[in-house]
Amino acid sequence: DGGITQSPKYLFRKEGQNVTLSCEQNLNHDAMYWYRQDPGQGLRLIYYSQIVNDFQKGDIAEGYSVSREKKESFPLTVTSAQKNPTAFYLCASSFPTGPQHFGDGTRLSIL
Amino acid sequence: DAKTTQPPSMDCAEGRAANLPCNHSTISGNEYVYWYRQIHSQGPQYIIHGLKNNETNEMASLIITEDRKSSTLILPHATLRDTAVYYCIVRVLGYGGSQGNLIFGKGTKLSVKP
Repeated sequence: DGGITQSPKYLFRKEGQNVTLSCEQNLNHDAMYWYRQDPGQGLRLIYYSQIVNDFQKGDIAEGYSVSREKKESFPLTVTSAQKNPTAFYLCASSFPTGPQHFGDGTRLSIL
Repeated sequence: DAKTTQPPSMDCAEGRAANLPCNHSTISGNEYVYWYRQIHSQGPQYIIHGLKNNETNEMASLIITEDRKSSTLILPHATLRDTAVYYCIVRVLGYGGSQGNLIFGKGTKLSVKP
């Protein structure tokens, strides 16, 4: 089945540690996105990529990094510089003029 | 992106039609109306989108007023699994630059009751 796979579903980070969230899609979508959702809030855009080897910062990129080496993959690294990383992280993908489709998210917590 | 206004919550009886309204009085001519829903602890699910004509797919129908200042999402036969938060979003087609951002507001919490 075609879709967007995020892993792991739950992730725990120690203070001062970098962690990487995986996002893979087999929909042949050109664009991929990372959002953050806090409890009771809407989504905020972290980074997005329109094509391979290119990406742009969203509204809250500080403390995060991404790479887009393959069309299918768009991993997000939450660095130790992100002071409030506890959140629900959502990955999405789309064709240029199509709607964004989302994965089931990764819930990150701090130990 | 234009702002949208939705009621915070609605109830619907199982098997009946659920009609979810959305106001977007400042929508621009090139902005589409998108609907997503989010079930607790899952990613948002795309439902439908449209520009000015009414749209229908296997999930729902979208009715957009002639002046495009409001729209209604219709779930024709609501089931318990349709209980979710429904988001109405207006944005331009495509993803270039700031258009990449989907701005989710508070949405409408739909509760389908037996």
